[in-house]
Amino acid sequence: GAVVSQHPSRVICKSGTSVKIECRSLDFQATTMFWYRQFPKQSLMLMATSNEGSKATYEQGVEKDKFLINHASLTLSTLTVTSAHPEDSSFYICSARDRKTGYGYTFGSGTRLTVV
Amino acid sequence: QKEVEQNSGPLSVPEGAIASLNCTYSDRGSQSFFWYRQYSGKSPELIMFIYSNGDKEDGRFTAQLNKASQYVSLLIRDSQPSDSATYLCAPQRDFGNEKLTFGTGTRLTIIP
Repeated sequence: GAVVSQHPSRVICKSGTSVKIECRSLDFQATTMFWYRQFPKQSLMLMATSNEGSKATYEQGVEKDKFLINHASLTLSTLTVTSAHPEDSSFYICSARDRKTGYGYTFGSGTRLTVV
Repeated sequence: QKEVEQNSGPLSVPEGAIASLNCTYSDRGSQSFFWYRQYSGKSPELIMFIYSNGDKEDGRFTAQLNKASQYVSLLIRDSQPSDSATYLCAPQRDFGNEKLTFGTGTRLTIIP
């Protein structure tokens, strides 16, 4: 089945620094990848939709200059949290769909970001 | 009105019984519906997908959809302790608009 590899799984960074999270579709081409954020005991909130070769589409209330998304190839999308602050501490998850094989969306394993 | 509403639970069900999870949605344009299971600290995994009114069965899981009532449910038969997780409902408008909007999820606990 479709596999999405996400790295790192856990990262701790100092306030003011930037963190890059990578998501790769291992056995399919992901023209679209979705980035979610999940705070403790809350549901997944869609942050942005990443499209290969074009600018990402951000959801209302998500700062595009703070959460930089790059989807340079059909198998790789990255999310960079710039100038991270403690309130950015969250669980970040990417998701994509293999259009050729199924309807379901596959999620990466998630990245637990802690900003200290 | 929230786009997707689920009873947050926790829902406690004895092992071997049927667990019933419900979801209502506000967007009448929703065509497809996904049920995901999320264990604590992990990312969601797909359980079921349904797009036609009626029931769809897959092993111990049955999804039920009623578009007129804007209601979708997930039944888990012969509940096992390993079914203890949060279950997320996610309607989708159409395949051209691919983003999913998740409900807050129902936390299910299977009591041995």
